[in-house]
Amino acid sequence: RKEVEQDPGPFNVPEGATVAFNCTYSNSASQSFFWYRQDCRKEPKLLMSVYSSGNEDGRFTAQLNRASQYISLLIRDSKLSDSATYLCVVIMGEYGNKLVFGAGTILRVKS
Amino acid sequence: DVKVTQSSRYLVKRTGEKVFLECVQDMDHENMFWYRQDPGLGLRLIYFSYDVKMKEKGDIPEGYSVSREKKERFSLILESASTNQTSMYLCASSTRRLSTETQYFGPGTRLLVL
Repeated sequence: RKEVEQDPGPFNVPEGATVAFNCTYSNSASQSFFWYRQDCRKEPKLLMSVYSSGNEDGRFTAQLNRASQYISLLIRDSKLSDSATYLCVVIMGEYGNKLVFGAGTILRVKS
Repeated sequence: DVKVTQSSRYLVKRTGEKVFLECVQDMDHENMFWYRQDPGLGLRLIYFSYDVKMKEKGDIPEGYSVSREKKERFSLILESASTNQTSMYLCASSTRRLSTETQYFGPGTRLLVL
């Protein structure tokens, strides 16, 4: 079983739609979680951190469910510019020093 | 603004060649990382370094070595390139507190080994 798993998609949605991705992780001791965004042929960039209490940044909401060991990303009112690959990142390791990336979920927003 | 640069965007090498990939960051970050990214596998950590002259193996170090002689520069070396090392290579850097600090990535090097 992979340490961090994501549905690869692609998720094809119309502009204005609400879309959600999940990411499951295997290590119940993991403490820190992030969503990164990667545009086509570009490097990953931090989108947002995921806190235990959830995190909202404009149209984006990230949530953590420790009991079921998954994090989620909700995008409301999708824009064409939201089209990208969304990478789930989980901090693991005894000293919290190992970042494990999911393979990414592709989102395509169409007009 | 944090800047991480990589020496080449595209590289074509032949099997058996020695390959050097250079990464430079200008934010005085202690931590530097080398990943490879392949379709369906995500980013996989090859090596990382917490300080000058220090290096730690990541998940897939076989066939690679690294060098960190200066704080701002982290080099990835393929001693004898093989076709299964064809991939996108991404360098990243971050400050000391890894678990809470953002990793900043370079633009990546697409390596093709023929």
